[in-house]
Amino acid sequence: DAKTTQPNSMESNEEEPVHLPCNHSTISGTDYIHWYRQLPSQGPEYVIHGLTSNVNNRMASLAIAEDRKSSTLILHRATLRDAAVYYCILRDVGDNDMRFGAGTRLTVKP
Amino acid sequence: GAGVSQSPSNKVTEKGKDVELRCDPISGHTALYWYRQSLGQGLEFLIYFQGNSAPDKSGLPSDRFSAERTGGSVSTLTIQRTQQEDSAVYLCAVNGRATGYNEQFFGPGTRLTVL
Repeated sequence: DAKTTQPNSMESNEEEPVHLPCNHSTISGTDYIHWYRQLPSQGPEYVIHGLTSNVNNRMASLAIAEDRKSSTLILHRATLRDAAVYYCILRDVGDNDMRFGAGTRLTVKP
Repeated sequence: GAGVSQSPSNKVTEKGKDVELRCDPISGHTALYWYRQSLGQGLEFLIYFQGNSAPDKSGLPSDRFSAERTGGSVSTLTIQRTQQEDSAVYLCAVNGRATGYNEQFFGPGTRLTVL
């Protein structure tokens, strides 16, 4: 599986945008970029995914670099409820499993 | 997570005992996954079921671990002769059809503590 690299932790202020980076320099052409987050004492939840183009949904935006070797999850306006561990995962279309790394622990300050 | 329940929510057992953990997804999800998460760690893939195909057991850490899925719905993860290092949260997940099976819905997990 291609690996991803994320900062261990980040801090943000409430109501400000948050940009969570992910490096995946060995990404292949068939790897999708997935983001999940895990709130305290809960299972992970899907946030967004993409292949080449930037993606937007009600939770976040995903900006994918032109060479696809990095991506950024954008929370447009952080709330206290967004405090969680955010996982960036590469998944090939033929893979059965999602390989979760350590993720980025996001702290949101009021 | 929407559509996936797990039981029990917490399980405390003594070293050497066998435990069964249950995952009960709503019907219609053909793919089912088991993961475990040790304290402060990321998720570790254990096993994957897809329809009637043979399960992908490549993540099971030892032969003490086994899982089955009956009728394409409920799944049971069994750990025999539990050890203290088995203590973790065990998570079950299914694929979501709304996004073309690209996302996984996770259950709330079972917290297993082996004394």
